[in-house]
Amino acid sequence: DAKTTQPPSMDCAEGRAANLPCNHSTISGNEYVYWYRQIHSQGPQYIIHGLKNNETNEMASLIITEDRKSSTLILPHATLRDTAVYYCIVRVNDYKLSFGAGTTVTVRA
Amino acid sequence: GAVVSQHPSWVICKSGTSVKIECRSLDFQATTMFWYRQFPKQSLMLMATSNEGSKATYEQGVEKDKFLINHASLTLSTLTVTSAHPEDSSFYICSARDLLAGRYEQYFGPGTRLTVT
Repeated sequence: DAKTTQPPSMDCAEGRAANLPCNHSTISGNEYVYWYRQIHSQGPQYIIHGLKNNETNEMASLIITEDRKSSTLILPHATLRDTAVYYCIVRVNDYKLSFGAGTTVTVRA
Repeated sequence: GAVVSQHPSWVICKSGTSVKIECRSLDFQATTMFWYRQFPKQSLMLMATSNEGSKATYEQGVEKDKFLINHASLTLSTLTVTSAHPEDSSFYICSARDLLAGRYEQYFGPGTRLTVT
C-alpha cells in the first residue's frame, strides 16, 4: 500500500475553507485516494474518494495533483461540527483500510 | 442510506467473562464486514475481515480464538470477546461495504466501548 503523510494538526476558522493536504508519492496507478474523518468517540465517516479526477460531493471537494503524488481535501465552509481527525488513505478498492495518525482539525469560532 | 448500527454502545464486564458485540447494516446487504479496535489516543487497527457465510480472516497478531467473529447473514456480524481481560478494554468499531450496489467505500458503526474490570 502507498504510504500517506499528513500534518498532525491544523486549525481553521469557522466559516472559512479548510484545506487538508496529503502526500502519497508512492501511489500506484490503480490506487484510489480515500478520505474519512472521525469525530471524537464516534465511528469514522466516509467523506470522499477519487482516482485522478477532482471530485466533489455534498461534504467536500478532493483535488488530486496531475502526477497523483498529493491531494487536498477541501471543506468549503468549516463549521464547529467539522472538528475531527481526518484520515487520508490510499487503497486499490477500499478493502482493508489502514488508518494512520491522520490530521486533527480544530475549527475555532 | 448506508447506515450501520452497533449494539451495545458501551458495556462493562468482569474479567474472565465473554462479551458479544453486534454489528448490523440497516438498509443494505453487507457481503463484507470489518472489525477494528481503537485504544485511547491511537488510530484504528483492523482486527479481522468477515465475509457472509465464511470464516473470518484475522490480521496478524489477533487471536482468533479470543475474538470470535460470526457473519451469519448479510446484515449481521458479531464479535465475541472471550475470557475478557482488562487489556481488552477498548473501542470496538465495525464497518460494512455495500458491494451489491457497487460501492466500495466502508460505512462505520458508532462503536462499542468495552471496559473490563
